[in-house]
Amino acid sequence: EPEVTQTPSHQVTQMGQEVILRCVPISNHLYFYWYRQILGQKVEFLVSFYNNEISEKSEIFDDQFSVERPDGSNFTLKIRSTKLEDSAMYFCASSNRGLGETQYFGPGTRLLVL
Amino acid sequence: QKEVEQNSGPLSVPEGAIASLNCTYSDRGSQSFFWYRQYSGKSPELIMFIYSNGDKEDGRFTAQLNKASQYVSLLIRDSQPSDSATYLCATDRIIQGAQKLVFGQGTRLTINP
Repeated sequence: EPEVTQTPSHQVTQMGQEVILRCVPISNHLYFYWYRQILGQKVEFLVSFYNNEISEKSEIFDDQFSVERPDGSNFTLKIRSTKLEDSAMYFCASSNRGLGETQYFGPGTRLLVL
Repeated sequence: QKEVEQNSGPLSVPEGAIASLNCTYSDRGSQSFFWYRQYSGKSPELIMFIYSNGDKEDGRFTAQLNKASQYVSLLIRDSQPSDSATYLCATDRIIQGAQKLVFGQGTRLTINP
């Protein structure tokens, strides 16, 4: 069964450093998403991406964040200058269509900013 | 007012009993509703989705939707210890054809052997 994959599973970084989180969505999916979950809190939407551009972004997704689909398979989230409060689990998700379609989540990357 | 509200629990249910999980939402424009299961430290895993008023059954799981009351529920019959997890209720927001999911806080369910 196809699945979303994410690398790395864990990332530890120093405050102010750049990190890139990578995702390989399900191959025939067209819509891609990033969510994050701070420990003990709810899953929060960050950004949606379709047709090589951002469809929507949340207030959390400020200028420090960017997304890219550098090739036909990868979808990346870059945090330019990490802050302590960026420590969270980051989930990539994908869906075949946008409207009312089920999103399938990857296993997540646990980011710890020291 | 929170967009999606769930009782955080913990909800404790004996093995073999019915577990009932509830969720309310604030936006009457929400069209689709999803129940995800999340084990500790893992990613959300889809259990069921429902779009129409009424009940939808899938094995031991039944989702119920009442749009007039803005209420969604999930029933788990014959609860097993492996059902112990946090259950996330989510609804969608459709923006320019792309869907963003809005999650509740989640209800932690414990099935006692």
